[in-house]
Amino acid sequence: GNSVTQMEGPVTLSEEAFLTINCTYTATGYPSLFWYVQYPGEGLQLLLKATKADDKGSNKGFEATYRKETTSFHLEKGSVQVSDSAVYFCARGGLTGGGNKLTFGTGTQLKVEL
Amino acid sequence: GAVVSQHPSWVICKSGTSVKIECRSLDFQATTMFWYRQFPKQSLMLMATSNEGSKATYEQGVEKDKFLINHASLTLSTLTVTSAHPEDSSFYICSARDPSGDNTEAFFGQGTRLTVV
Repeated sequence: GNSVTQMEGPVTLSEEAFLTINCTYTATGYPSLFWYVQYPGEGLQLLLKATKADDKGSNKGFEATYRKETTSFHLEKGSVQVSDSAVYFCARGGLTGGGNKLTFGTGTQLKVEL
Repeated sequence: GAVVSQHPSWVICKSGTSVKIECRSLDFQATTMFWYRQFPKQSLMLMATSNEGSKATYEQGVEKDKFLINHASLTLSTLTVTSAHPEDSSFYICSARDPSGDNTEAFFGQGTRLTVV
């Protein structure tokens, strides 16, 4: 079936470290792909997205590239900050209607320390 | 971006009682809203799609008589957990898409932590 698999957390990094959170998906066709972030006590916020193969989504220093060859959408940031501490969810949209029906990964908790 | 507000943010109720959770789109009209459930350390699971003016579409395995969804207006959907039991304790999140905006983005409420004792 269609699913999203992301690396398990928690991930603990020092400030200014490089971040990678892996995400792979299974689907027939080419769904839209998303990264959402959930800060403590808040709802999910869209971090970035890519709607077709080879697209790169970017926001707040985070990047992810839609790789159809490897069915991946890994999240990266060159230098994390304490304020990036949150839970990150990879998600894929339905094959019709864009992001209407989302399938989420399990979430990866990131903790950034000084 | 568009704002979706969920209320309450947390609730504790006794077994056997019913709890209503509200999801409002504050600055746009949402013909479709989605209800998710999140278990600890697990992914968000889509429970149902709420359609304004018509019956909700439930995902397989979700009891429609247990989780009543009403989408009476373009800005409000409610989820009522009926005859709640401790196993219903979970984090419930709603989302909506702004049809006048980007077709691919969904906006989420802040979630409701339900604890049934």
